[in-house]
Order: sequence, then structure tokens, then C-alpha cells
Amino acid sequence: QVHLVQSGAEVKKPGASVKVSCKASGYTFTSYYMHWVRQAPGQGLEWMGIINASTGSTSYAQKFQGRFTMTRDTSTSTVYMELSSLRSEDTAMYYCARKGPDFDYWGQGTLVTVSS
Amino acid sequence: QSALTQPASVSGSPGQSITISCTGTSSDVGNYNFVSWYQQHPGKVPKLMIYEVSKRPSGVSNRFSGSKSGNTASLTISGLQAEDEADYYCCSYAGSSTYVFGTGTKVTVL
Repeated sequence: QVHLVQSGAEVKKPGASVKVSCKASGYTFTSYYMHWVRQAPGQGLEWMGIINASTGSTSYAQKFQGRFTMTRDTSTSTVYMELSSLRSEDTAMYYCARKGPDFDYWGQGTLVTVSS
Repeated sequence: QSALTQPASVSGSPGQSITISCTGTSSDVGNYNFVSWYQQHPGKVPKLMIYEVSKRPSGVSNRFSGSKSGNTASLTISGLQAEDEADYYCCSYAGSSTYVFGTGTKVTVL
């Protein structure tokens, strides 16, 4: 069955960068796109971007353009997200979610805490 | 891209039906039949309940149904049960490979 396993929690200082991984299994990795979604504490879901696991092409929410990057490694069936210039407002749970259809399978989430 | 508008809360008694609205614009909900709905219990990962406006994934109860009219999509839960108490989010394709979520609705079973 489909599994998306994300890397562990991170604590970062303001201005730093964070990179989170999402390892997929149970399906043909390159046949699907992958979304990234975040949820600040007590807040709603926020779409960040999507990557084509086959070609690596990406689309980002305008809000994150310039400091958010998604990549993938087809040899390990892993997608990555990197968020730079972190600020306190970036403290959130970050999820990867497979597109097929929409957000059908989700990772367990990675808590990123930004604090001085 | 602004979040889709949902009521902050909706409540109902067991056995009743409730409907959650999700209002967008002609650039998202009104222009594409790619509206989906997610259920999220506290501390849990969101779960896909409806996709492409009205389709149910395998394993989702037929008590959940979706529809759309113009710029507003709706999720109806019939025969409300205690386990349905959760947060619900809509999401729409917004063109150019972008998506937008709704503000979220807390469903309370009285």
C-alpha cells in the first residue's frame, strides 16, 4: 500500500533554512505529482506547491515564490522541500501529499519550529 | 490567491444532515470541477473525503456527498454521527498548476 514517510521534527533559528524529505513507497513514484501543504498551530491548511515526480517541474504558491524549493530524487523515490529565510510565522506542520486524485495520500507531517 | 470562504462552524444533532459551503471565485471553484474535501480530526492527518466535486474515494461512507453551483461548492453529511465531529476543508484547483484551500469549518455533533 501507499506510504509517505517524512523526516523528523526540526528546530531552526530565524533566517535559517530547513529541508524536509518525503519518501514514497507502494506505488510507481514517477507516475504521480506530489504536493506540499503546511498548517500553522491552530490554523488551516495552506497549499505551498506541487512537483512532477517524473520531470521535476514545479509550481509554487505565489506567497512562497523565491524562498521555497521542491526537488525529487527518483533513485530513492523521495521528494524534498526547502524553505529559506525562516521566520517565526513559518512555524508549522509541513505535509507532503500525493496527487492522484487531489491529495489522496498524506505523509505523517514534519513539525518545523522557528525560534531564537 | 485568497483562501476559499467556509463557515467557521456548523453543528447538528446525531442523525441530522448538515451542509458546509465553500465559496470561491470564477478563477477557482467556478471555473473547474476540481473541488475536493478533507476531514481532519485533532492531531491527525487530513483525509480525502470527496474529489472532483462529487466523487467519493473507496472506503468513504456514502453519508458524505459533494456538489457545486457557480462559485460555491458544498459538502453534505447525512445521518450525522459522533465520529463526524472534526474540521473540514475544501480545496480547489485555481489554474496554472496551483491550488487553494478553504478557511476550514469545525463540525460539532450536539
